[in-house]
Amino acid sequence: EAQVTQNPRYLITVTGKKLTVTCSQNMNHEYMSWYRQDPGLGLRQIYYSMNVEVTDKGDVPEGYKVSRKEKRNFPLILESPSPNQTSLYFCASNPNRGRGSPLHFGNGTRLTVT
Amino acid sequence: KQEVTQIPAALSVPEGENLVLNCSFTDSAIYNLQWFRQDPGKGLTSLLLIQSSQREQTSGRLNASLDKSSGRSTLYIAASQPGDSATYLCAVISLKTSYDKVIFGPGTSLSVIP
Repeated sequence: EAQVTQNPRYLITVTGKKLTVTCSQNMNHEYMSWYRQDPGLGLRQIYYSMNVEVTDKGDVPEGYKVSRKEKRNFPLILESPSPNQTSLYFCASNPNRGRGSPLHFGNGTRLTVT
Repeated sequence: KQEVTQIPAALSVPEGENLVLNCSFTDSAIYNLQWFRQDPGKGLTSLLLIQSSQREQTSGRLNASLDKSSGRSTLYIAASQPGDSATYLCAVISLKTSYDKVIFGPGTSLSVIP
């Protein structure tokens, strides 16, 4: 089954403790991206990747890092999480840089930073 | 700066009614527009994608139209069912950035009453 898999689904952590949210897709998509969803602010793009070793910032990249060492994986790294990073995070992929084909989303990771 | 709005923010209708959800965007320089459905605690599911050169797309009971010149898209749901209850989001991919910037609207929360 074609899918985007995020782990974990739920995560509670404390301020400053480094964490990684994993994202993997099995559709051989080149384009992957991360979003956060907050009440009243909607979905906002954090980082995106056009292909292996090609990543760039979206609208709200501060406090996040990403890497794309393999085509299928696009982990989101919070090196020193803060409470304002409490949010619902989504990973998405697309075969054609977001154009012409629909984005495929993972089921989300709900992160709470205390 | 591209902004996407959706009206209404929430909608409650009795089962069987036809309904229209609205999406507006401020900059007509878009590559495509997508409609998504989001169920509570779940990821986003792509419903319809309209390329900028297209006027409408249909899938089952759903029909989405696009008027790029006026910056509007509508999602028409025929013969609504309780299973249609969800939040509906529209998103545009902007042409005017160096990367594929996906901009989401805030969503319309739909409740279909049996």
